[in-house]
Amino acid sequence: AQSVTQLGSHVSVSEGALVLLRCNYSSSVPPYLFWYVQYPNQGLQLLLKYTTGATLVKGINGFEAEFKKSETSFHLTKPSAHMSDAAEYFCAVDPNSGTYKYIFGTGTRLKVLA
Amino acid sequence: SAVISQKPSRDICQRGTSLTIQCQVDSQVTMMFWYRQQPGQSLTLIATANQGSEATYESGFVIDKFPISRPNLTFSTLTVSNMSPEDSSIYLCSVNPRLAGNEQFFGPGTRLTVL
Repeated sequence: AQSVTQLGSHVSVSEGALVLLRCNYSSSVPPYLFWYVQYPNQGLQLLLKYTTGATLVKGINGFEAEFKKSETSFHLTKPSAHMSDAAEYFCAVDPNSGTYKYIFGTGTRLKVLA
Repeated sequence: SAVISQKPSRDICQRGTSLTIQCQVDSQVTMMFWYRQQPGQSLTLIATANQGSEATYESGFVIDKFPISRPNLTFSTLTVSNMSPEDSSIYLCSVNPRLAGNEQFFGPGTRLTVL
């Protein structure tokens, strides 16, 4: 069965430090990959997506992610964390099966320490 | 893109009652999804609601508990019936405007507490 794994349900970083949130997926065909952010008491906002083409994808708020097919990974990074980055981050996969349904990871709560 | 609104934004309900959640989109979209997000957890797909056809429910969700209407291409409702405290969750709708890359756009969610 297809799945999405986010390693680390809680991640803490210091302000200004590198942010690395991990996402691995299993899919029998090249999927579409997404990172969403959820701020407290809000819905989900798309950070970035990979469909085809360049494997390094840049998103909003200084985030980027790299699709590595050989590692079936789509890790999210940001060079320098800001206090406003504190939120829940979800990796999602569209298995490209024609149903348009996503498979969500379990989420990673990012805490930024002053 | 698509802008989505949901009503109510939050509610506190008594067990045994029902609540209908509305989802309004600012453009016509065929594909709409309803999700549940239980406290501290990820999103679970309840059903796919496409205009002109019956909603398709995921395993573990049934129409009697979560009836869905999709009267047109910009609106849908999800009813949570005969509620129990276990139904306390955030309920989100999303749409897929069939843009390149299959991006989904999410509403702000309805935060439901059942006492």
